[in-house]
Amino acid sequence: DVKVTQSSRYLVKRTGEKVFLECVQDMDHENMFWYRQDPGLGLRLIYFSYDVKMKEKGDIPEGYSVSREKKERFSLILESASTNQTSMYLCASSLTGQISGNTIYFGEGSWLTVV
Amino acid sequence: KQEVTQIPAALSVPEGENLVLNCSFTDSAIYNLQWFRQDPGKGLTSLLLIQSSQREQTSGRLNASLDKSSGRSTLYIAASQPGDSATYLCAVRGYGGATNKLIFGTGTLLAVQP
Repeated sequence: DVKVTQSSRYLVKRTGEKVFLECVQDMDHENMFWYRQDPGLGLRLIYFSYDVKMKEKGDIPEGYSVSREKKERFSLILESASTNQTSMYLCASSLTGQISGNTIYFGEGSWLTVV
Repeated sequence: KQEVTQIPAALSVPEGENLVLNCSFTDSAIYNLQWFRQDPGKGLTSLLLIQSSQREQTSGRLNASLDKSSGRSTLYIAASQPGDSATYLCAVRGYGGATNKLIFGTGTLLAVQP
């Protein structure tokens, strides 16, 4: 079974802190994604990566950055956390190749509260 | 810009009932459509993936259909059980520079009453 592991399930951080959310997948997937999920807004894509050291902005990249130094690991960084970044963060991964046949796999999510 | 809508936002049914969840999308040029289940406080679990060339997919009590021309998909759940209670989300994968992006609907919260 594909496993996408988010290292922190629940975090509470102070405004202005630098926050790292880590995600690891064990299936050698090329693509990795970070979404945030908010009530009434659904899932929104923050950043994604299709290869090591490659990244592309999603729909809401402001206030975030990412790092992909190894294929299995994709990190989301909040440079200076703000209260409007309080949310559930979901990491996901998928294969490339035949795009139309690729299922996307999600981690369990990280609940971040910024106070 | 692709938009995905799921109606109703919430649904409550008695156990044993057959039910249909709806998903509509504005741009019919899609690679595939995927249905997910999300339990409270958890991540998403993929249920069914329908490729753009397919009309439906089945897994156990679940059947998903796709009508690209009308921009609609339905998820049919037969003989619902309390364990089916969850939020169901659909997502479409489109064309464009970021071809791996999924656009999600906001989900339907399903409650199956025992």
